[in-house]
Amino acid sequence: AQTVTQSQPEMSVQEAETVTLSCTYDTSENNYYLFWYKQPPSRQMILVIRQEAYKQQNATENRFSVNFQKAAKSFSLKISDSQLGDTAMYFCAFINRDDKIIFGKGTRLHILP
Amino acid sequence: DTEVTQTPKHLVMGMTNKKSLKCEQHMGHRAMYWYKQKAKKPPELMFVYSYEKLSINESVPSRFSPECPNSSLLNLHLHALQPEDSALYLCASSQDPFLEDTQYFGPGTRLTVL
Repeated sequence: AQTVTQSQPEMSVQEAETVTLSCTYDTSENNYYLFWYKQPPSRQMILVIRQEAYKQQNATENRFSVNFQKAAKSFSLKISDSQLGDTAMYFCAFINRDDKIIFGKGTRLHILP
Repeated sequence: DTEVTQTPKHLVMGMTNKKSLKCEQHMGHRAMYWYKQKAKKPPELMFVYSYEKLSINESVPSRFSPECPNSSLLNLHLHALQPEDSALYLCASSQDPFLEDTQYFGPGTRLTVL
């Protein structure tokens, strides 16, 4: 079975600090895609970053970057220079060959002023 | 443009009402999805519509019925809902359902069943 695990239900950091959200997954597939979605209090799901498993280079999107360790099946999200607007629920997700997206349970991130 | 739109934003309905949720995308995507999300939980897939074929999560009750009038629109018809159906309903689309492709989500419809 394919699973996505986020081991940190909730985190808090001070504004401007760097924070890392962890995600591990389990799959027997070799080619797949991984995502981080952000869900602010408005509840809309917003794509933060995407990583193709066949690419060794870690994806980066402005202050957001990932540490993708394929052998370890680990896909952590680093947020640099955190801002108050980064406060949200963050979901790690995996898309399988049937195009079904599998979400982790989420990490609630609080950025403190 | 990576926008998926959903209407209405909020919906309150009684258990005997019939209502519909609408979702629209103009990105030329070939797959569209409905998700249900309860508070503090990840979204749960309800339906996938791709290449004129509907895939159903078997756990979804028949009081939810999707309809795809054309490739840009996906409706979710609601009938005889229960209070436990109150949730955020998210629509998403992706370019190609046969590739592991990015799903773009709409803002959601917050549904309350009284």
